[in-house]
Amino acid sequence: EPEVTQTPSHQVTQMGQEVILRCVPISNHLYFYWYRQILGQKVEFLVSFYNNEISEKSEIFDDQFSVERPDGSNFTLKIRSTKLEDSAMYFCASSAPMILNYGYTFGSGTRLTVV
Amino acid sequence: QKEVEQDPGPLSVPEGAIVSLNCTYSNSAFQYFMWYRQYSRKGPELLMYTYSSGNKEDGRFTAQVDKSSKYISLFIRDSQPSDSATYLCAPSMDSSYKLIFGSGTRLLVRP
Repeated sequence: EPEVTQTPSHQVTQMGQEVILRCVPISNHLYFYWYRQILGQKVEFLVSFYNNEISEKSEIFDDQFSVERPDGSNFTLKIRSTKLEDSAMYFCASSAPMILNYGYTFGSGTRLTVV
Repeated sequence: QKEVEQDPGPLSVPEGAIVSLNCTYSNSAFQYFMWYRQYSRKGPELLMYTYSSGNKEDGRFTAQVDKSSKYISLFIRDSQPSDSATYLCAPSMDSSYKLIFGSGTRLLVRP
């Protein structure tokens, strides 16, 4: 079964440092997403990406965040200057053509710890 | 009022029990209603979806949506210990592909 692959599984970074979280979506999917889940809280939408541009973003996704599809397979989330409150699980997802709302596949997540 | 609300549980049931998980929402624009299962430190995994109101059955799982009362349910028949996980409801709108997750209900099925 096709998978969304995320690397690394766990990243520890110093406050103020830049981090890049990487994802390989499913190959025939066209929409890509980042969600995050702070420990003990709900999964929250960050951003959706289609046709090489952001299609929707949440209030959380401020100027500190950016996304990119640098080649035909990877999808990245960059946090420019990490804060303690950025510590969370970050999930990448992609959704299949024609079933976008319910055709999501999530990756296993990257646990980001900011110290 | 929160957009999507779930009782966090935990809900503890014996193996073989029928489980009822519920969710309420406030946005009448929601048209797609998904149920996800999440194991500890893993990504959400789609269980079922329903479009608009009605019932849908898939094996041991039945999803119900009542748009008039903005109430979503997931029933699990013959529950198994492997069903122990957190269950997340996640509606979305026709005009947006983002999912709005509830906080999840933690289910524990005792052998």
